[in-house]
Amino acid sequence: NIVMTQSPKSMSISVGDRVTMNCKASQNVGNNIAWYQQKPGQSPKLLIYYASNRYTGVPDRFTGGGYGTDFTLTINSVQAEDAAFYYCQRIYNSPTFGAGTKLELK
Amino acid sequence: QVQLKESGPGLVQPSQTLSLTCTVSGFSLTSYNVHWVRQPPGKGLEWMGRMRYNGDTSYNSALKSRLSISRDTSKNQVFLKMNSLQTDDTGTYYCTRDWGRYNLFDYWGQGVMVTVSS
Repeated sequence: NIVMTQSPKSMSISVGDRVTMNCKASQNVGNNIAWYQQKPGQSPKLLIYYASNRYTGVPDRFTGGGYGTDFTLTINSVQAEDAAFYYCQRIYNSPTFGAGTKLELK
Repeated sequence: QVQLKESGPGLVQPSQTLSLTCTVSGFSLTSYNVHWVRQPPGKGLEWMGRMRYNGDTSYNSALKSRLSISRDTSKNQVFLKMNSLQTDDTGTYYCTRDWGRYNLFDYWGQGVMVTVSS
């Protein structure tokens, strides 16, 4: 089974900063990765699919990248409302989620 | 608009069976796959299984022996049954729609919190 490893586990960022979080697959998954945002008490929301495609309505400060085993989610000019957990997920076959990265605002 | 809503008991006793219902609107179960995903308190997301648009099912291998997913298309409902519940099955259970049939989740229910406790 493919394992998705996210890093860091948490990060504390100031409003306006740029932040990059990572997701590493234990095997080559091509571009079959999605990213979700989950705020406390809410359901996850789809942000990015097929590694780099922004879902409908997602602000363009969110950018996904990577291919194969290493993927990134970058948020340019972080806003207060971006404080959340972020999960990567392998698409296709048995979907697998990473353990998440917690983004906190200073 | 697309909506999914989970319902079921909030408290289940250890060793008992959990039964949850996902009621959907705004799309057809014969056109989209619906999945179940759960989340223990303070932890990450775990895919449990799916009901495909054609009625086929697939399950997380770690849960397969305890899990059953079925549906009633006339009522726009997908059902989850999981037996032999233990305390580590406590968590929020979500149903979610699969966009494009590739295990990509575009709409989620609000989730239902299930506590396994005597």
